[in-house]
Amino acid sequence: AQKITQTQPGMFVQEKEAVTLDCTYDTSDQSYGLFWYKQPSSGEMIFLIYQGSYDEQNATEGRYSLNFQKARKSANLVISASQLGDSAMYFCAMRGSGYSTLTFGKGTMLLVSP
Amino acid sequence: EAQVTQNPRYLITVTGKKLTVTCSQNMNHEYMSWYRQDPGLGLRQIYYSMNVEVTDKGDVPEGYKVSRKEKRNFPLILESPSPNQTSLYFCASSRGQSPGNTIYFGEGSWLTVV
Repeated sequence: AQKITQTQPGMFVQEKEAVTLDCTYDTSDQSYGLFWYKQPSSGEMIFLIYQGSYDEQNATEGRYSLNFQKARKSANLVISASQLGDSAMYFCAMRGSGYSTLTFGKGTMLLVSP
Repeated sequence: EAQVTQNPRYLITVTGKKLTVTCSQNMNHEYMSWYRQDPGLGLRQIYYSMNVEVTDKGDVPEGYKVSRKEKRNFPLILESPSPNQTSLYFCASSRGQSPGNTIYFGEGSWLTVV
């Protein structure tokens, strides 16, 4: 079975500051993918960043980076220079080699203040 | 622009009145799936399809039907909707089912059954 844990129900950050959203995972698969999605209040689910289990370097996409620590089974999302438009729910998710579906965490609500 | 398109985005319907939520992707993806998102329960997979004419049940298939007659389309059918099917529905697609294939979501369909 796969499990994603996001322990922060909500996070507050000021504009232009960096923020880290935590994600830990559990799986017995050797090959898996880790994903982060953003869900604004309008409801759509937006793909942000991907990290493969065999990738040695941390993934980066613009202001997003994924701090991947395989031994600790963590895949934290780092948002640099937060913007007001970053206010949203953020989901960590995993796709294993034996599963076609994504397993999601419960999400972290990020609020960015001016 | 690569995208997954769902329709309708918003729908209020009555119990028992059959409805179809359409989904189309323009990325030539083999894998498509439907999720529903409910408060406290997170995202759960309803059905998925590995390719044309190949579909299988996800975690919560009861009350739903799907078909995959063309690669780009994967409609979700509610034959006799009930209030417990009130939810936010997502169609999603990916190139394949391996862990490295990113799953892209449509904008979501807000369905209310009264």
